[in-house]
Amino acid sequence: NAGVTQTPKFQVLKTGQSMTLQCAQDMNHEYMSWYRQDPGMGLRLIHYSVGAGITDQGEVPNGYNVSRSTTEDFPLRLLSAAPSQTSVYFCASSVRGGGSYNEQFFGPGTRLTVL
Amino acid sequence: DAKTTQPTSMDCAEGRAANLPCNHSTISGNEYVYWYRQIHSQGPQYIIHGLKNNETNEMASLIITEDRKSSTLILPHATLRDTAVYYCIAYQAGTALIFGKGTTLSVSS
Repeated sequence: NAGVTQTPKFQVLKTGQSMTLQCAQDMNHEYMSWYRQDPGMGLRLIHYSVGAGITDQGEVPNGYNVSRSTTEDFPLRLLSAAPSQTSVYFCASSVRGGGSYNEQFFGPGTRLTVL
Repeated sequence: DAKTTQPTSMDCAEGRAANLPCNHSTISGNEYVYWYRQIHSQGPQYIIHGLKNNETNEMASLIITEDRKSSTLILPHATLRDTAVYYCIAYQAGTALIFGKGTTLSVSS
């Protein structure tokens, strides 16, 4: 199994551009989520999904859209990039988010810079 | 805001036990204590979790006080590779994992 994969690894955008960060998992996990991590800070939850067709907002959802059309994929869309969105983005998945056991598997991250 | 409080940083000598404290005085009865760690700039890695009882696995031990207001993660024989940021999280089933700032553990030889 490849686990959780993220593409691209690095990206530079100009203010106002849009892009999609890709996340895929091959573990048949129901639960997937997106976090951002700013320098010296902990992770903050952007959006999450408990299954295909179901998404919900996290702590910092503004400026981001998500969709979950398949179990495997959970892309994160930046609608109009701003310098404040410069961060490292992590995608994670787990078997399910409704039980007591929530071991999340994280991807390697996408390092995004918005100029 | 995170429901847990952790020291900002700790040091540990290689080969010694690393004891990382976590305060969660407002934890509710159905919230679990989860620990993750993040090595350098990698994605976080699950370590262990518990509700009331102490837990042990191949990576660490988790000691939860009887009143559940605090806990300690124990790495029995710390190595240089254990240098990381350790996150203590109060997690309620059906919700999302919310990370705080964690404790930066530095293991030195």
